Amino acid sequence: QLQLQESGPGLVKPSETLSLTCTVSGGSISSSTYYWGWIRQPPGKGLEWIGTFYYSGSTYYNPSLKSRVTISVDTSKNQFSLKLSSVTAADTAVYYCARLINWGYSTSRFDYWGQGTLVTVSS
Amino acid sequence: IQLTQSPSSLSASVGDRVTITCRASQGISSYLAWYQQKPGKAPKLLIYAASTLQSGVPSRFSGSGSGTDFTLTISSLQPEDFATYYCQQLNSYPLTFGPGTKVDIK
Repeated sequence: QLQLQESGPGLVKPSETLSLTCTVSGGSISSSTYYWGWIRQPPGKGLEWIGTFYYSGSTYYNPSLKSRVTISVDTSKNQFSLKLSSVTAADTAVYYCARLINWGYSTSRFDYWGQGTLVTVSS
Repeated sequence: IQLTQSPSSLSASVGDRVTITCRASQGISSYLAWYQQKPGKAPKLLIYAASTLQSGVPSRFSGSGSGTDFTLTISSLQPEDFATYYCQQLNSYPLTFGPGTKVDIK
């Protein structure tokens, strides 16, 4: 059974860089079938897509965050990471990692999600 | 592509038929998924390709639509169905979610 687990600091100071890692178990992050992504949810609000990547290096970012976001992958550890720079209180959210299957087809969907991790931006 | 959902919230009783609507700002064919989220939990995939039921999801959930107008229907609401429901378009980047519909107990 595929599992995704987010990890990283729960508290980040304003203007600093938020760094999270998603560890994938029960499946390979290098599979040609899947993309992988990050989604966030501010407290009490809706879901916002942050970005998606393919293990070979293709990345796609939300234009609203693109100047501050980097998603990278470590295939040797079966992990991928999120870095969000120059954070403010508006970046306080639960951050989820998820698997995207069948990108480019109508059957595309995020079928597996991590449990999420709350990151608070505060001094 | 912007997604709107209606209603934003609804109150219903166990056994009720519930319908949630999702409208896209431009045509997305059937590139639409529905998720259920309970408090403190990650979203759970219910429906993809507008009408395909995810494995393990009860058959009381169904989806329909194509183009710009979509619906999620729960044929007979069960206690475990009280949650927030989100639609998502996967037609093109940036991927977007609807604002959500909260279903609570009447």
